[in-house]
Amino acid sequence: DAGVIQSPRHEVTEMGQEVTLRCKPISGHDYLFWYRQTMMRGLELLIYFNNNVPIDDSGMPEDRFSAKMPNASFSTLKIQPSEPRDSAVYFCASSLNLGGANVLTFGAGSRLTVL
Amino acid sequence: GQQVMQIPQYQHVQEGEDFTTYCNSSTTLSNIQWYKQRPGGHPVFLIQLVKSGEVKKQKRLTFQFGEAKKNSSLHITATQTTDVGTYFCAGRGAGSYQLTFGKGTKLSVIP
Repeated sequence: DAGVIQSPRHEVTEMGQEVTLRCKPISGHDYLFWYRQTMMRGLELLIYFNNNVPIDDSGMPEDRFSAKMPNASFSTLKIQPSEPRDSAVYFCASSLNLGGANVLTFGAGSRLTVL
Repeated sequence: GQQVMQIPQYQHVQEGEDFTTYCNSSTTLSNIQWYKQRPGGHPVFLIQLVKSGEVKKQKRLTFQFGEAKKNSSLHITATQTTDVGTYFCAGRGAGSYQLTFGKGTKLSVIP
């Protein structure tokens, strides 16, 4: 398996632009998580899905952020409009629930810079 | 909400010295996981602890889960330059699939 695949790896954009980050989880995994990592705040959970259904989006900073999972093999995180404070590394992770053991496999991350 | 505190934030050691990072949760955990993130990389799963008082070893790494299931530690014996990175604990509350990560301990090893 190729692991969790994220794109783009790097994105530089200007304030106000729309940003779309993409994730392909490991085939067969039933959970998908979006995390944001910054020096100041560490790894923050933004939202997670179970069987393509959003379960908890309480970590989504504000209405500018939205996430979708139209099928088991694809998810997007969208920021519209983007702001400089959104600059961070965004990680997607997937897992398979095996009797409560839910080990995360992370993608390589998408480094976002908003100018 | 659940909070996971991790100390120290940074640790610089001479190669061959030991290293320990500590993790404390504001609530009782159902299990705790440890991840390692190399510089410029992504978090990679190391181990999961489930039972109260559990101790697990992976070569030079020793992981412990406290009796009250609210704290955990990772100890590395005789550090090597390959141990460089940030070590995160991540706790899961009862009945939840959500992992709350500590802020990590960044380990630097001086050759």
